[in-house]
Amino acid sequence: DVKVTQSSRYLVKRTGEKVFLECVQDMDHENMFWYRQDPGLGLRLIYFSYDVKMKEKGDIPEGYSVSREKKERFSLILESASTNQTSMYLCASSLGRNTEAFFGQGTRLTVV
Amino acid sequence: KQEVTQIPAALSVPEGENLVLNCSFTDSAIYNLQWFRQDPGKGLTSLLLIQSSQREQTSGRLNASLDKSSGRSTLYIAASQPGDSATYLCAVSRSSGGGADGLTFGKGTHLIIQP
Repeated sequence: DVKVTQSSRYLVKRTGEKVFLECVQDMDHENMFWYRQDPGLGLRLIYFSYDVKMKEKGDIPEGYSVSREKKERFSLILESASTNQTSMYLCASSLGRNTEAFFGQGTRLTVV
Repeated sequence: KQEVTQIPAALSVPEGENLVLNCSFTDSAIYNLQWFRQDPGKGLTSLLLIQSSQREQTSGRLNASLDKSSGRSTLYIAASQPGDSATYLCAVSRSSGGGADGLTFGKGTHLIIQP
């Protein structure tokens, strides 16, 4: 079974902090994604990566950056956390373009 | 811009009933459609993936259909059980015509199966 693991289930950070959310997949997938999920807005794509060191912006990249130094690991970085970034963050991976996506368990981030 | 709509937003039925969840999308230029299940506070579990060239997929008590030309998909759940209670999400692959890869999601159907 594909396993996508997010480093934390719950995080509480202060406004202005630099925050790192980590995601690791164990199936040698090419593509990795970061989404955020908010009540009433659903899931929205923040960034995705289709290869090591490659990244592309999704629908809501403002205030975020990403890093993919190794194929199995994709990090989401909040450069200066703000309260409007309080959300559930979900990482996903897929073998190739437009193939089945597998999700991690989510990280609920609260910025105070 | 692709938009995905799921109807109904919420559904409560007695155990044992067969039920249908609906999903519609505005742009038919998709590669595939995927159905997910999400339990409260958890991540998404993939249920079924239908490629654009397929009409339906089945897994156990679940059957998903796709009518790409009309922009519709349905998820049929047979003989529902309390353990089926969850939010069901429909997502379509983003087209190759520029823009990011990934999925565009509906807002989900919150399903409650009453024992």
